[in-house]
Amino acid sequence: GAVVSQHPSRVICKSGTSVKIECRSLDFQATTMFWYRQFPKQSLMLMATSNEGSKATYEQGVEKDKFLINHASLTLSTLTVTSAHPEDSSFYICSARPGTGTSDTQYFGPGTRLTVL
Amino acid sequence: DQQVKQNSPSLSVQEGRISILNCDYTNSMFDYFLWYKKYPAEGPTFLISISSIKDKNEDGRFTVFLNKSAKHLSLHIVPSQPGDSAVYFCAASARGTYKYIFGTGTRLKVLA
Repeated sequence: GAVVSQHPSRVICKSGTSVKIECRSLDFQATTMFWYRQFPKQSLMLMATSNEGSKATYEQGVEKDKFLINHASLTLSTLTVTSAHPEDSSFYICSARPGTGTSDTQYFGPGTRLTVL
Repeated sequence: DQQVKQNSPSLSVQEGRISILNCDYTNSMFDYFLWYKKYPAEGPTFLISISSIKDKNEDGRFTVFLNKSAKHLSLHIVPSQPGDSAVYFCAASARGTYKYIFGTGTRLKVLA
């Protein structure tokens, strides 16, 4: 149980285009989903917290107009990187927290490698 | 300001021996701690967690120890296996925030 999927796993795009990444909780409902970014040989950095049916909460320094997050249902959150530039190239990982119980455990997706040319 | 630190970027251990991975934190509001295992180009896999009301939690070969006064936690893997070779991240959370702060990771290599 507690499986989280991401799609696509890899994407290459041209500078200036937008890219959408989907995060799905496959066998549980997630009231809260999180989006992280990891640069090579660095830690996972939280970008934003996404709650179903409400606006995402962004961490300091993360541009909300550039990284659009939509948490339309209890099993799906999407991250859209708008007008992508080479410096946005990174490994993007989502996680989901089950809506039931008091556990704080998050379950992570396999990640999406974004390369902006 | 790195609130969660893993000061050893890498560790090599012989198969069958104990692996000890360390993690230090600075924020006294953290009260929930986790260890994740990660392979390159994959998402982290949850290993074990501990609440601040405990000082030890054990799950099979994995044991996490928490020393609140020292703001230090450690992950013990015994016996270590070659399949344990990966990058291990500790994460901390203040209950109710549901936000994780990750350490920088320790690359564990278990030698056969």
